[in-house]
Amino acid sequence: EVQLVESGGGLVKPGGSLRLSCAASGFSFSSYSMNWVRQAPGKGLEWVSSISSGSSYIYSADSVKGRFTISRDNAKNSLYLQMDGLRAEDTAVYYCACTRGWLQPPGANVDYWGQGTLVTVSS
Amino acid sequence: DIVLTQSPGTLSLSPGERATLSCRASQSVSSSYLAWYQQKPGQAPRLLIYGASSRATGIPDRFSGSGSGTDFTLTISRLEPEDFAVYYCQQYGRSPETFGQGTKVDIK
Repeated sequence: EVQLVESGGGLVKPGGSLRLSCAASGFSFSSYSMNWVRQAPGKGLEWVSSISSGSSYIYSADSVKGRFTISRDNAKNSLYLQMDGLRAEDTAVYYCACTRGWLQPPGANVDYWGQGTLVTVSS
Repeated sequence: DIVLTQSPGTLSLSPGERATLSCRASQSVSSSYLAWYQQKPGQAPRLLIYGASSRATGIPDRFSGSGSGTDFTLTISRLEPEDFAVYYCQQYGRSPETFGQGTKVDIK
């Protein structure tokens, strides 16, 4: 059974930092690119960042560029998101996801999502 | 960036009715890398359609996708009670991978 389990969310003050983790199991984690997608309360889905299978390619949304850093450890089947300089508008549920995309190998038949971890930025 | 605009914002229908959801892209979506997701409160998104028209594993055949280029449609042929939810389109052909703002299908 495929599982993606996020952790590390919580309440943080503006300007603070958090590190989200995502533990993957049940599929060949090292073969696929991975994403972070977020959803602010009552709002739609927003892609945050993607990392290729071997970490050679990293892309991030303009809204988080220079503040958030995606990384992965294939030996530990884990994905991370280091979030620095947090702002109120970063308040959201953060999902770890392995989905179809242009970074995936051809024919990749994947669509896996975690249940999300809530990040609240407030003083 | 490719901007995806979904319409309508809310669709109020009764069980058994047909739902037609639209997703328009600001630029052509390469190789029909267009997906549709369903999301219910408190849950992660669930993939319904990929490649504009291919149903994901386990998705009932009342869900169908069509379109190419800049205009895409998700059709639910006969709404079941469990289909009332929010639906998002997503393009995944290039970075940034963008989502539409969503269409809420609620019970009339």
